[in-house]
Amino acid sequence: AQKVTQAQTEISVVEKEDVTLDCVYETRDTTYYLFWYKQPPSGELVFLIRRNSFDEQNEISGRYSWNFQKSTSSFNFTITASQVVDSAVYFCALSVPQGGSEKLVFGKGTKLTVNP
Amino acid sequence: DTEVTQTPKHLVMGMTNKKSLKCEQHMGHRAMYWYKQKAKKPPELMFVYSYEKLSINESVPSRFSPECPNSSLLNLHLHALQPEDSALYLCASSQGRLAGAEQFFGPGTRLTVL
Repeated sequence: AQKVTQAQTEISVVEKEDVTLDCVYETRDTTYYLFWYKQPPSGELVFLIRRNSFDEQNEISGRYSWNFQKSTSSFNFTITASQVVDSAVYFCALSVPQGGSEKLVFGKGTKLTVNP
Repeated sequence: DTEVTQTPKHLVMGMTNKKSLKCEQHMGHRAMYWYKQKAKKPPELMFVYSYEKLSINESVPSRFSPECPNSSLLNLHLHALQPEDSALYLCASSQGRLAGAEQFFGPGTRLTVL
C-alpha cells in the first residue's frame, strides 16, 4: 500500500523553540518521491521540498531542514528557532504513479502553532 | 509567472444551481489537477489532466464535470451538488511526464452548497 503517516496531529511550541514534524511512508516502488507542503490559514498549499528515493542527503534551507532515512521509511522536517509565521498545517506527501500520470498521497497533516 | 490562479475565491450555490470553477496557469505546465479538501483533512485528488487529456478520475460523482480547454486552463463544472460537497477546491499544475514533479497549488475556491 502507498501510504503516508503523520502521527502528530497538533504541536504547540513557543517562539524560538526547535520543532520536528514526523513523516513515515509506505511504498512498494523502488523509485519514489516525497514532498513537504505548508498550508497557512489562507488555504494555499505551498511547496517546501521534494526528495527522491536515491538521494538520502539531508537538506537545509535556512531554518528548515529535512532528514530522509530509507532504513526507517521516514522523512522528518525540523524547524529551527520557530517563528509565529511558521504556524500552519504541514503535509507530507508521496508521489504515486497512476494511469500514466502521478498523484500525491498526503498524510493527515500536522497543525503547528507557534506562540509568541 | 509562477502562479496558479483560481476563480472565484468563494462560491455559494443552491443544490439546483449550475456553476463553474476556473483555474489558470502560465508556467507551461502540461499536467493539471483538481483536489477537494474538507476541513481538518488532507487534500483528496479528484481529477488529473495530462496534455489536455483526462488521465485520472478518482471515481468522482458525475455532478462534478472537469474540462481542460487548453494547456493553461482547467474548469470544474458543478451541477446538482449536495451540502456535503461543501469544501475547499484546490487546483494544481506540474510539468507533464516528469516523474516526481512538484505540484504548484492555487489559493483555492471555498464552496458552500446550501
